Amino acid sequence: DTGVSQDPRHKITKRGQNVTFRCDPISEHNRLYWYRQTLGQGPEFLTYFQNEAQLEKSRLLSDRFSAERPKGSFSTLEIQRTEQGDSAMYLCASSLRGGEQFFGPGTRLTVL
Amino acid sequence: QKEVEQDPGPLSVPEGAIVSLNCTYSNSAFQYFMWYRQYSRKGPELLMYTYSSGNKEDGRFTAQVDKSSKYISLFIRDSQPSDSATYLCAVIDSNYQLIWGAGTKLIIKP
Repeated sequence: DTGVSQDPRHKITKRGQNVTFRCDPISEHNRLYWYRQTLGQGPEFLTYFQNEAQLEKSRLLSDRFSAERPKGSFSTLEIQRTEQGDSAMYLCASSLRGGEQFFGPGTRLTVL
Repeated sequence: QKEVEQDPGPLSVPEGAIVSLNCTYSNSAFQYFMWYRQYSRKGPELLMYTYSSGNKEDGRFTAQVDKSSKYISLFIRDSQPSDSATYLCAVIDSNYQLIWGAGTKLIIKP
């Protein structure tokens, strides 16, 4: 399968714990995006990378959130000291330059 | 005011009906307009996109943009139960970022 993959698909954690999600983009895609989506809403942009460089971060992204793409391939999104308000679907997408974004299946986070 | 407004529904129609899904947007500078379909517990997938005003047709789907009224529409002909999903409109801003509507949940009843 050459699509975008995300791991895990579902994560349940206690408030205050740290969580890390992984995204593997389509191999030739140089752009990688992270979004957050809550029920009944469209995806909310978090950040994006071009190759290994993080080019933009949403000002809504608190300092508890950090993302990396160390070798310009896969990316990780870490949330520290999770809060119940962090419960959402975290979507990753990749694209070739600024073209069509292809989305992964998402990681559903539940913070108890 | 949100930059892209979309009625969340749900919209329930019988199989075979013509479906009309709509969004409005606020910034007349937007030029690219997208429609995504999202099934439950899956990521969005691009259905169609249009540039500037006009219509674009792909099988049973037609996307329409009216820039004078800042209105974008997606029509589905001969709707099928498999079309039941959430449909999200989006525009591309000047930084090539997607700005999304809230999505309309569509239910096609057999």
